[in-house]
Amino acid sequence: QKEVEQNSGPLSVPEGAIASLNCTYSDRVSQSFFWYRQYSGKSPELIMSIYSNGDKEDGRFTAQLNKASQYVSLLIRDSQPSDSATYLCAVNRDSGYALNFGKGTSLLVTP
Amino acid sequence: KAGVTQTPRYLIKTRGQQVTLSCSPISGHRSVSWYQQTPGQGLQFLFEYFSETQRNKGNFPGRFSGRQFSNSRSEMNVSTLELGDSALYLCASSLSSDKKLFFGSGTQLSVL
Repeated sequence: QKEVEQNSGPLSVPEGAIASLNCTYSDRVSQSFFWYRQYSGKSPELIMSIYSNGDKEDGRFTAQLNKASQYVSLLIRDSQPSDSATYLCAVNRDSGYALNFGKGTSLLVTP
Repeated sequence: KAGVTQTPRYLIKTRGQQVTLSCSPISGHRSVSWYQQTPGQGLQFLFEYFSETQRNKGNFPGRFSGRQFSNSRSEMNVSTLELGDSALYLCASSLSSDKKLFFGSGTQLSVL
């Protein structure tokens, strides 16, 4: 079974701090990696995608990928209370469009 | 541009019944995937369709089936419902090889 592992949290950070979310995956051939945000009672929303080793920045979000260590992370700078949500790490299963999801990390940003 | 549309939004069924859920993808998206989300198991992949063909299937029993029509709309069917089938069923569509999924609002199924 190809796994995607995340710490369930909750991860609590003060407003304005950097939130660091981590994810490991077991399938070495995975090529596509995603972070989704899911608010309570809502569906997942894509916030970042990364396909090659290194960092990818988009506004306050930075995704980091290390394929050798099979590790993906998401940094949220200047965290806001509105960032409080569950963050899901997803990794492609194969050559198709299906993804394996981690169970998510709950993030709480306190004012 | 309209997003992914799923109907119905809520559904209550009893054990042994069957249910059909519908999904209309974003215009131009040819890939449609279905996922089951429960508090205990998280998001689990059910199946994926592309151009009316099932391209990939997850580890679910044969009671779960799906299909895709020529206009890319998709349906999934669950027969002989069990209590454990109570979950949020999410449909996602994708346009290109970047594998980005865009989810609908989901159908919340309760089996009594």
